[in-house]
Amino acid sequence: KNEVEQSPQNLTAQEGEFITINCSYSVGISALHWLQQHPGGGIVSLFMLSSGKKKHGRLIATINIQEKHSSLHITASHPRDSAVYICAVRGTDKLIFGTGTRLQVFP
Amino acid sequence: DAGITQSPRHKVTETGTPVTLRCHQTENHRYMYWYRQDPGHGLRLIHYSYGVKDTDKGEVSDGYSVSRSKTEDFLLTLESATSSQTSVYFCAIKGGSSGETQYFGPGTRLLVL
Repeated sequence: KNEVEQSPQNLTAQEGEFITINCSYSVGISALHWLQQHPGGGIVSLFMLSSGKKKHGRLIATINIQEKHSSLHITASHPRDSAVYICAVRGTDKLIFGTGTRLQVFP
Repeated sequence: DAGITQSPRHKVTETGTPVTLRCHQTENHRYMYWYRQDPGHGLRLIHYSYGVKDTDKGEVSDGYSVSRSKTEDFLLTLESATSSQTSVYFCAIKGGSSGETQYFGPGTRLLVL
C-alpha cells in the first residue's frame, strides 16, 4: 500500500464547478505539500501546510492531522486549472509523493 | 522561479552508455534533489545533497551516482544506462520563506533505447 494515496486519480469538470481532490497518508509527517504539474511538465508548489487551512486565490487546502487527510479545493474552476495535482508529505527531510490527480476542466 | 535549470532537456541514448544530467541553481540553496517521474508512480527520490560533497541515497538510487563539487551544480550520472531508466528526471531545491518549499527544474526527458 502506498504511503500517500490520492483520490480520484482522474477528474473532469465543467467550468465553474467546485473541485475537491483528496490526499490520505499513513506515516507521521511534519508538513504536507500540494503541487501542480502543468500539461507542459513543469511542477509548481501551491501550498505547504502542517495544520488548519490555507487559501490562495481560488485554491483552498485543508489538513486534518488526526485523520491523516488533506483536501485541495478549487472554487469556480476554469480550463486553465487543468493539470495534475500532486500531494506530498514530509517525514524527516524527504518528501513522499502521491501519484497525482489529473484534472480536466472543460469550457 | 528559483533559478533552476536542467541540461539537457531531452536526450536519447543507447543501452550501456553513460549519461550525465546537470542541474544548476543560481540562489545558493543548500539542499538539492534528483527525482524520477514514471507513469503510475509518484515522484521518486534518486539522490539528494545537503552541501558540497555531501550526498545521500534516495529510494531508487541503484544504477545512479551523483556529485556536487560546487554549490550551484548537482550532477546525476547513469553509469550504464538501461531501458528501465527511461524516465523524466526532475531536479529540485529546498527554499522559500519557510525554507521548506521545493522548487523544481523544468525536467529532462531521457529515452534509453
